[in-house]
Amino acid sequence: GENVEQHPSTLSVQEGDSAVIKCTYSDSASNYFPWYKQELGKRPQLIIDIRSNVGEKKDQRIAVTLNKTAKHFSLHITETQPEDSAVYFCAASGVMAGGGADGLTFGKGTHLIIQP
Amino acid sequence: ETGVTQSPTHLIKTRGQQVTLRCSSQSGHNTVSWYQQALGQGPQFIFQYYREEENGRGNFPPRFSGLQFPNYSSELNVNALELDDSALYLCASSLKGMETQYFGPGTRLLVL
Repeated sequence: GENVEQHPSTLSVQEGDSAVIKCTYSDSASNYFPWYKQELGKRPQLIIDIRSNVGEKKDQRIAVTLNKTAKHFSLHITETQPEDSAVYFCAASGVMAGGGADGLTFGKGTHLIIQP
Repeated sequence: ETGVTQSPTHLIKTRGQQVTLRCSSQSGHNTVSWYQQALGQGPQFIFQYYREEENGRGNFPPRFSGLQFPNYSSELNVNALELDDSALYLCASSLKGMETQYFGPGTRLLVL
């Protein structure tokens, strides 16, 4: 099955600086890569996603890049703000043999700390 | 538009008992997926339901089972609870053919 590795586990940056979180996946059949933000005690919230036919996607201060050949994708947050502090999860999914939906396989998360 | 809801919010059970958790999908969504999130870990896929049938399953034993109802709401049942079943259980709804999943607030289960 799919395996997703996420680095770093903790990332501390100064407010206003950029943050980059990296993930690798193992299954070349995976074709959908979302990123979720989870604040303490709250539900995971989708912040951005990318499909395998696209190399980069941007939404205001957040961008995601995908390298299918190397099987890795990254989240970039620019001009970080205190409210960006949270745990961020990358995930990957595809379609199972036989056509059944494959669930999301998540990385272990990155605790992003924005220092004032 | 109504978001994903789950009940109960918290639950305490003892080893060997059985538990049922409930999820109402976002309006317009017809697929529900369930995940287990242990403390400090990412969510792990349990299974997915579409058209009232299991549509995919992760690496969980048969004592984890589910149902989906005609209104697309869903239940997760866990039999013979073990201490390691203590976790946050999340459901996520989506529209078949669209990969985007939206999560509910979760049910925190503690097994003593």
